[in-house]
Amino acid sequence: DAGVTQSPTHLIKTRGQHVTLRCSPISGHKSVSWYQQVLGQGPQFIFQYYEKEERGRGNFPDRFSARQFPNYSSELNVNALLLGDSALYLCASSLGPDRTDTQYFGPGTRLTVL
Amino acid sequence: AQSVAQPEDQVNVAEGNPLTVKCTYSVSGNPYLFWYVQYPNRGLQFLLKYITGDNLVKGSYGFEAEFNKSQTSFHLKKPSALVSDSALYFCAVRDMFRHNQGGKLIFGQGTELSVKP
Repeated sequence: DAGVTQSPTHLIKTRGQHVTLRCSPISGHKSVSWYQQVLGQGPQFIFQYYEKEERGRGNFPDRFSARQFPNYSSELNVNALLLGDSALYLCASSLGPDRTDTQYFGPGTRLTVL
Repeated sequence: AQSVAQPEDQVNVAEGNPLTVKCTYSVSGNPYLFWYVQYPNRGLQFLLKYITGDNLVKGSYGFEAEFNKSQTSFHLKKPSALVSDSALYFCAVRDMFRHNQGGKLIFGQGTELSVKP
């Protein structure tokens, strides 16, 4: 079975630009979460969606937004990019949002902001 | 607030020797704990989780973890290390949102495991 897929794999943008990252969850999973991993640190939570509704938001500015589609895939959008947005963006899917549901991660999108 | 700590930035082990990667947690209520592994330029792979029940949890690739409530620890272990186990290991705790309508993972800083032949 296919795991979580993310696109693109790598992305280079300049400051001020906008970026859209995409994620397809494991078949049957209805919840998607997004994390940002800066080099040398653990992942930091950005958003969680379940059944197309936002269930949680991390401590990120309003420049970050996301949505989930009827097929449970998801997009993460970042506006007005800053140098500090350079990171590995990870998508994770789970059956649901329950505390016992394991989150399975995709390979990530490496974003570089110049 | 929920948190986890990984006190060692790096652990070095000889191949064939047992390995331990340490994790301590701080939670209000029952802990839901996870271990993930990350290989270079890759996403995180799930190894195992503790929800309830036996304090010794068995996971993927021969890894296991011991939950110790009195010491608030959840150390990752493997009886015999392989060179291919060399990677970055993350401990995480589940932090639920209000009304339990979802939850995020809170990760430690990670521990770099190096297994030498």
